Amino acid sequence: EVQLVESGGGLVQPGRSLGLSCTTSGFTFGDYAINWFRQAPGKGLEWVGFIRKKTYGGTTEYAASVKGRFTISRDDSKSFAHLQMNSLKTEDTAVYYCTRSPRIAGIMLFDYWGQGTLVTVSS
Amino acid sequence: QTVVTQEPSLTVSPGGTVTLTCASSTGAVTSSSYPNWFQQKPGQAPRTLIYSTSNKHSWTPARFSGSLLGGKAALTLSGVQPEDEAEYYCLLYCGGALNWVFGGGTKLTV
Repeated sequence: EVQLVESGGGLVQPGRSLGLSCTTSGFTFGDYAINWFRQAPGKGLEWVGFIRKKTYGGTTEYAASVKGRFTISRDDSKSFAHLQMNSLKTEDTAVYYCTRSPRIAGIMLFDYWGQGTLVTVSS
Repeated sequence: QTVVTQEPSLTVSPGGTVTLTCASSTGAVTSSSYPNWFQQKPGQAPRTLIYSTSNKHSWTPARFSGSLLGGKAALTLSGVQPEDEAEYYCLLYCGGALNWVFGGGTKLTV
């Protein structure tokens, strides 16, 4: 069974850092890109960024709202991805989700989602 | 800055048919926008229904279908069930630095 589990959320002060993990099981992690999304309380979804699989260079892309502050990495040996969030702002308060992202016919898609972890940025 | 627009809310009777749409501020939505559709119920994570305009995942009920309609991406529900009441989000690939942009969501009431 494919599973993704986010962890590491919590309360953090503005300007501080927090790291989230996306721990996976049930599939060959290295064969997939991983995307991160977020959803502020009572609001819509927002794409945060993604990391390609190693055969595509393992490179990353980010939304403009987080570029330069957030970093996504991966450890294929442990089947998990990491979202490092620095210089946090109150507007980063959200539930953060990771998704498995296969590539089919050259197109990246999003199939399985984790249950999310809540990050609250507040003084 | 690309803005993706969805109907804020729609109401449909059980057994009826409803079409949700997804428009882009930069012009017509095409297959190159790789439209995705997601369903989210209160307190739950989103669930992916449709990818790349019209492709379904193995868990997507047959009553859901995706298409391009009048320059927009569209999600049609035929034979709506009470359990289809949810928020529906579209996601478009906008390319370049923007990458992926969500619509604001459509709250579907059955």
